[in-house]
Amino acid sequence: KAGVTQTPRYLIKTRGQQVTLSCSPISGHRSVSWYQQTPGQGLQFLFEYFSETQRNKGNFPGRFSGRQFSNSRSEMNVSTLELGDSALYLCASSGDRVTGELFFGEGSRLTVL
Amino acid sequence: AQSVSQHNHHVILSEAASLELGCNYSYGGTVNLFWYVQYPGQHLQLLLKYFSGDPLVKGIKGFEAEFIKSKFSFNLRKPSVQWSDTAEYFCAVSDSWGKFQFGAGTQVVVTP
Repeated sequence: KAGVTQTPRYLIKTRGQQVTLSCSPISGHRSVSWYQQTPGQGLQFLFEYFSETQRNKGNFPGRFSGRQFSNSRSEMNVSTLELGDSALYLCASSGDRVTGELFFGEGSRLTVL
Repeated sequence: AQSVSQHNHHVILSEAASLELGCNYSYGGTVNLFWYVQYPGQHLQLLLKYFSGDPLVKGIKGFEAEFIKSKFSFNLRKPSVQWSDTAEYFCAVSDSWGKFQFGAGTQVVVTP
C-alpha cells in the first residue's frame, strides 16, 4: 500500500509569490490534514479535510487555504508569501476518524527568500 | 483549547541509558494520546497510542508510555536506548472530533 505522497519535495519562492502544495493520501483514506513544522514550534495544525469539506481549521491567516478533491487528493495554497512561511509542510491522512491515527508524508520544504 | 507541553527540547544521553520524555496536556474532554517519532531524513511515524483500557501502552522498538489521567500526562519511556533512537519525538493529543494538537518536540541524541 503506497504511503502519503507530497509534491514538490523542495521549492524556493520569493516574498509576495504564491505556492501550491499537493498531497495524495493513502488509498481509501478520506481525511487529509496539513501541518506546518518549524524548529522549536513543533507541528502547527493548518486544516483538515474530509470528503471535500473543511472539517477543522487552525489559527493561520487567510493567506493559507486548502481544498480536497473527490479522489481525496488535497492541495494547500499560500498566497503573498512571507519570509516566516519558510517551513516544512506536512500532509497526513487518516482512515478512521475515531482512532485518528495519522499517516504522514515526507513533507514539502518551502524556502521563502 | 487543547495544549500539549513537552518538558525537554533537547536530550543527550549515552547508549544503554534509560530515556523518559515528559508530556502534559490540557483538555477537558476525552482525548486520545500519541507519540510520534521522526528519524533523521524520514517522515513522522507512530510509536504508540492510547485510546482506552490499560494506561501502560507498549509501542514499537521497545518504547512504552504511561497515561496518568490525574496528572494529564503521557510520558514516554525506554529502558535502554540505542544509537538508532536518535530522533525527534512528538507527543500529540486528539479530541473526540479528531482534531490533533502536537507538542513542540524533543530532540534526542544518543551517543555511542
